[in-house]
Amino acid sequence: KAGVTQTPRYLIKTRGQQVTLSCSPISGHRSVSWYQQTPGQGLQFLFEYFSETQRNKGNFPGRFSGRQFSNSRSEMNVSTLELGDSALYLCASSLLYNEQFFGPGTRLTVL
Amino acid sequence: TQLLEQSPQFLSIQEGENLTVYCNSSSVFSSLQWYRQEPGEGPVLLVTVVTGGEVKKLKRLTFQFGDARKDSSLHITAAQPGDTGLYLCAGISSGSARQLTFGSGTQLTVLP
Repeated sequence: KAGVTQTPRYLIKTRGQQVTLSCSPISGHRSVSWYQQTPGQGLQFLFEYFSETQRNKGNFPGRFSGRQFSNSRSEMNVSTLELGDSALYLCASSLLYNEQFFGPGTRLTVL
Repeated sequence: TQLLEQSPQFLSIQEGENLTVYCNSSSVFSSLQWYRQEPGEGPVLLVTVVTGGEVKKLKRLTFQFGDARKDSSLHITAAQPGDTGLYLCAGISSGSARQLTFGSGTQLTVLP
C-alpha cells in the first residue's frame, strides 16, 4: 500500500507570493491533517479535514487555508507569504484518529 | 492551550549507553504517542499509551505513561547508531476537539 505523498518536496517563494501544497493520503484514509514544523516552534497543528469538511483548526492566521477533495486528496494554501512561513509542512492521513501516517513533507523557503 | 515539554532537547551518547527522554505537561491527555523522525522524512509512530501507569516495550525501547496521564517517558537500552533521530511525544486531548499536541522534540545522536 502506498504511503502518504506530498508535492512538491521543495519550494522557494518570495515574500508576498502565495503557495499551494498538495497531499495524497493513503488509500482508504478519509482524514487528512496538516502541520507546520520549524526549529523554533516545533510541530504545530494547522487543520484537519474529514470527508471534505474542516473538522479541527489550529491557531494560525487566515492566510493559511486548506481544502479536501472527494477523493480525500488535500491541498493547503498560504497567501501573502512571510519570511516566518519558511518551514517543513507535513501532511498526515489516518483511518482511525489515533494512528496518523505522515508524508515526507514539503520544505518551503520564503526569501 | 495544552503544552508538552520534552527534555532533554539534545542528547549525544555513545553506542551501548542507556538513556531516558521525558515528556511532561500540566494537562491530562486521553492518550499519548511517541514518534521518531529522521532527516527528510515525516514522523513515524512508535507507540500509543492510553492507560495511566501503562508500560509498553518495543525491543530496546520502553515507554511509560504517568499515573495521572500528564507525563510520559521513553527509555532506550543499549542505544545503537540506528536509534539516532528526533523523538517527539504527542498528546491527544480528550473531548470532541481531538487533536495532536506535539512536544518540542529530543534530538538524539548515538555515536558509534
